[in-house]
Amino acid sequence: RKEVEQDPGPFNVPEGATVAFNCTYSNSASQSFFWYRQDCRKEPKLLMSVYSSGNEDGRFTAQLNRASQYISLLIRDSKLSDSATYLCVVRARQGGKLIFGQGTELSVKP
Amino acid sequence: DTGVSQNPRHKITKRGQNVTFRCDPISEHNRLYWYRQTLGQGPEFLTYFQNEAQLEKSRLLSDRFSAERPKGSFSTLEIQRTEQGDSAMYLCASSLGTGDEKLFFGSGTQLSVL
Repeated sequence: RKEVEQDPGPFNVPEGATVAFNCTYSNSASQSFFWYRQDCRKEPKLLMSVYSSGNEDGRFTAQLNRASQYISLLIRDSKLSDSATYLCVVRARQGGKLIFGQGTELSVKP
Repeated sequence: DTGVSQNPRHKITKRGQNVTFRCDPISEHNRLYWYRQTLGQGPEFLTYFQNEAQLEKSRLLSDRFSAERPKGSFSTLEIQRTEQGDSAMYLCASSLGTGDEKLFFGSGTQLSVL
């Protein structure tokens, strides 16, 4: 089993749609959780951290369920500029390496 | 430009040759990471440094791969006796090293082994 697994994608949605990405992780002792965004042929960039209480940044909402070892990202009112690959990322221990999922590709169409 | 810098951007080599990549992190960053990424996959962890100390190396990494960060600033990643399966984007990232901080990635070195 992979340490971090994501929905395979791709997700093709119209502008204005709401889309949700799911991610599971295998190490129950994992400490920190993130969503990174990667545009085509570009490097990954941090989108947002994921906190136990859930957190929101504009149209983006991240949730963490430690009991189920599950992370989600919700994007509301999708924009064309949201088209990218979304990477679920887990840090197993404080100060340790970041482990990336395979990524889920999102394509927002007009 | 004060971001993470990687050189070269592209490298084409023949199977069996050795290649070396360089990464210059953001100047005040203590942590430096190397990842490898192939098409359709997320970045795969290779190794990371805290200053000049190599703290962890992936078990997936063969002995043909070696990384150094001799003065705790720039880092080099060497691949000896390259194989076609080594073809990938090699990404370097740096962070402050204070705990749970975010990674800043360079643009990567695209390696093609013919």
